[in-house]
Amino acid sequence: GENVEQHPSTLSVQEGDSAVIKCTYSDSASNYFPWYKQELGKRPQLIIDIRSNVGEKKDQRIAVTLNKTAKHFSLHITETQPEDSAVYFCAATRPVNRDDKIIFGKGTRLHILP
Amino acid sequence: SAVISQKPSRDICQRGTSLTIQCQVDSQVTMMFWYRQQPGQSLTLIATANQGSEATYESGFVIDKFPISRPNLTFSTLTVSNMSPEDSSIYLCSVDPRRSSSYNEQFFGPGTRLTVL
Repeated sequence: GENVEQHPSTLSVQEGDSAVIKCTYSDSASNYFPWYKQELGKRPQLIIDIRSNVGEKKDQRIAVTLNKTAKHFSLHITETQPEDSAVYFCAATRPVNRDDKIIFGKGTRLHILP
Repeated sequence: SAVISQKPSRDICQRGTSLTIQCQVDSQVTMMFWYRQQPGQSLTLIATANQGSEATYESGFVIDKFPISRPNLTFSTLTVSNMSPEDSSIYLCSVDPRRSSSYNEQFFGPGTRLTVL
């Protein structure tokens, strides 16, 4: 089945600098890759996603890149701010018969340092 | 935007008992997912629930332990049966984010924090 690896597990970045989180997936049939942000005590919140027919997508300070050949995708946060501190999860769909499964990486705890 | 609610928000249960968690979505969805999240950990998929068919369980999860109902396109329940302390976790229902082009929607319920004594 699908396996999603995410690293680093923890990342500390100076405020204003950029943060990059990387994920790899195992199933070449995966075709959708969402990223979630989870603040302490809250539910995961979708922040950006990318489909397999696109190599890059950007939404304000957040961008995601996808390399289908290498089966990896990355989240880029520029001009980081204190409110970016949270746990970030990548995910990949794993098509199984007619059902898609959304499988999550283990998460990256991002600390924005003042 | 879609609203997803769960009941109960939390519960403390005795070993050997069962708890049913309800998930309500304010719009019709084909697939609903149930996840478990231990404190500080990632989201582990328990099963996928499609309306009108049996739920599909992930490796390590079985129907006898986690029976799921999906009576219509806006509602699902997950039961945690014959509970043990190892079942203590947060249980979340989720819907497919591809159903919307907006990042302002909620695709996860608020979660049910279960503690088993």
